Amino acid sequence: GAGVSQSPRYKVAKRGQDVALRCDPISGHVSLFWYQQALGQGPEFLTYFQNEAQLDKSGLPSDRFFAERPEGSVSTLKIQRTQQEDSAVYLCASSDGLPPYEQYFGPGTRLTVT
Amino acid sequence: DQQVKQNSPSLSVQEGRISILNCDYTNSMFDYFLWYKKYPAEGPTFLISISSIKDKNEDGRFTVFLNKSAKHLSLHIVPSQPGDSAVYFCAASTNAGNMLTFGGGTRLMVKP
Repeated sequence: GAGVSQSPRYKVAKRGQDVALRCDPISGHVSLFWYQQALGQGPEFLTYFQNEAQLDKSGLPSDRFFAERPEGSVSTLKIQRTQQEDSAVYLCASSDGLPPYEQYFGPGTRLTVT
Repeated sequence: DQQVKQNSPSLSVQEGRISILNCDYTNSMFDYFLWYKKYPAEGPTFLISISSIKDKNEDGRFTVFLNKSAKHLSLHIVPSQPGDSAVYFCAASTNAGNMLTFGGGTRLMVKP
């Protein structure tokens, strides 16, 4: 079946621009996660949805980062007034919410802020 | 403070031999441990997991061992194949299942 898809795959933004990154999870997966991966490091948690409810946003680095999942399926991660330190790969993952809580990842969006 | 650590940034192994990738953690609340494999320009792919109530889980060429008292786990790949060359991430989850905490990754190179 179809896996997690993300768009765009690559995004170049000028500093100060707003960006929106989209995630289509696996159909039927109730849990959706966003991670940020800097070069040479492991993914770091940003935020978590269960259906349409955002249950944890403790990893969002600043109030410039905002995520939504209004109908419990597709999710969008928005970054306002992008800064150079926002340059990273943004990974979306989904899961069925059951142990062992394996998450299935999309290919990521590589964001470069110039 | 890194809760999950992979202390070897890289590992080189001859084809056909065993690859052993290590991972240490500090949070005793972790209930599940997972290994992911990542190729360049792709997202991480789930490989194998283990619950904290077990000490071993095997799936084909992949075996994960968990030593709870030492807060240490390892992934064994036998026999190693060139297609196994990738970055491997160790990850952990509490029973809340609300996030994965990842290590920094180990780059495995399997030489033909």
